[in-house]
Amino acid sequence: NAGVTQTPKFQVLKTGQSMTLQCAQDMNHEYMSWYRQDPGMGLRLIHYSVGAGITDQGEVPNGYNVSRSTTEDFPLRLLSAAPSQTSVYFCASSVGRLPSTDTQYFGPGTRLTVL
Amino acid sequence: GENVEQHPSTLSVQEGDSAVIKCTYSDSASNYFPWYKQELGKGPQLIIDIRSNVGEKKDQRIAVTLNKTAKHFSLHITETQPEDSAVYFCAASSGGSYIPTFGRGTSLIVHP
Repeated sequence: NAGVTQTPKFQVLKTGQSMTLQCAQDMNHEYMSWYRQDPGMGLRLIHYSVGAGITDQGEVPNGYNVSRSTTEDFPLRLLSAAPSQTSVYFCASSVGRLPSTDTQYFGPGTRLTVL
Repeated sequence: GENVEQHPSTLSVQEGDSAVIKCTYSDSASNYFPWYKQELGKGPQLIIDIRSNVGEKKDQRIAVTLNKTAKHFSLHITETQPEDSAVYFCAASSGGSYIPTFGRGTSLIVHP
């Protein structure tokens, strides 16, 4: 298993540009989520999905869109990039409901810089 | 919603010493408390977790304790080694939500 994969690893955007961060998992996990990590702020939840066709907002959803058309993929779209969206983005997945483990498996991250 | 506080933000120890990182949470319904280790340039990885029906769990040099009454839990690393240097995150989640809330992280530095 490849686990959770993310592309690209690095990206530089200009203010106002749009782009999609890709995330895929091959573990047949129901739950997938996107976090952003900023210095001193820990991991903040952007959006999450509890299954194909179902998404919901996390703590910091503004400026981001998601969709979940398949179990495997959970792309994150930046509609109009702003410098405040400069961050490291992590995708994670988990099996879902108890009694199964709800351990989150994280991807390697995408480092995004918005100029 | 859940709020998780983590202390200290930075912890510096000598190789062989013990390290303790503490977290508090606000939602009394939380019942799952994982700890993640993040090495430089990588995503966080689970190192140990504890559920609310257990007070302590140990795995070799790492242990986690949970006090549900006081709503706090701690990570203990004994005989620290330079390769333990990383950022450690605590998290909490409740039975109604399987997306955990994370603390802000502790940067552990182990000096040889």
